[in-house]
Amino acid sequence: AQSVTQPDIHITVSEGASLELRCNYSYGATPYLFWYVQSPGQGLQLLLKYFSGDTLVQGIKGFEAEFKRSQSSFNLRKPSVHWSDAAEYFCAVGAGDYKLSFGAGTTVTVRA
Amino acid sequence: DAGITQSPRHKVTETGTPVTLRCHQTENHRYMYWYRQDPGHGLRLIHYSYGVKDTDKGEVSDGYSVSRSKTEDFLLTLESATSSQTSVYFCAISGGQGTWTGDYEQYFGPGTRLTVT
Repeated sequence: AQSVTQPDIHITVSEGASLELRCNYSYGATPYLFWYVQSPGQGLQLLLKYFSGDTLVQGIKGFEAEFKRSQSSFNLRKPSVHWSDAAEYFCAVGAGDYKLSFGAGTTVTVRA
Repeated sequence: DAGITQSPRHKVTETGTPVTLRCHQTENHRYMYWYRQDPGHGLRLIHYSYGVKDTDKGEVSDGYSVSRSKTEDFLLTLESATSSQTSVYFCAISGGQGTWTGDYEQYFGPGTRLTVT
């Protein structure tokens, strides 16, 4: 079965600074990978996805992620964070049965 | 945003009472899912459905049952609520694009906060 680890529970970043959130997955075949964002009191919103092809994928809100098979990673990045990026971020992996397995999440705090 | 609603949005109930949460979609997506969200655990799959009357268990299905009699509705029932079922419950849908990749892209409802006292 597939699984996801997000090593960082909480990250604090200054507004305007770069952000990188780590995601490591465990799956024997080619994974399908996703990043979601959850603002306080809201549902989850899909930021970006990877199925195949170019390993650098662009998403909404200026986010990008890079799939590295050799490191079993799918890290999320943003060059310059805005106060509105404060949220909880979830990495997820899909296998062959249309179900997703989610990581425990990383909470991002943005300081002025 | 996908047309997904959940009802009720908030509920407080007593231990031992039955509770039913409803997920309604207007997107005609094939797959529907129920998750619970707890601090430190992310989202854990309770049950999912791959069509009308076709459902299967997820990783935390004990104490929960589901039904899907119409494409648009997916009900989650706690037969006898316990304090350990206090959580935020999310419904999600996928499979509305007619592509295999679309089957994996899940869209989430706003959630139901359930407190069992």
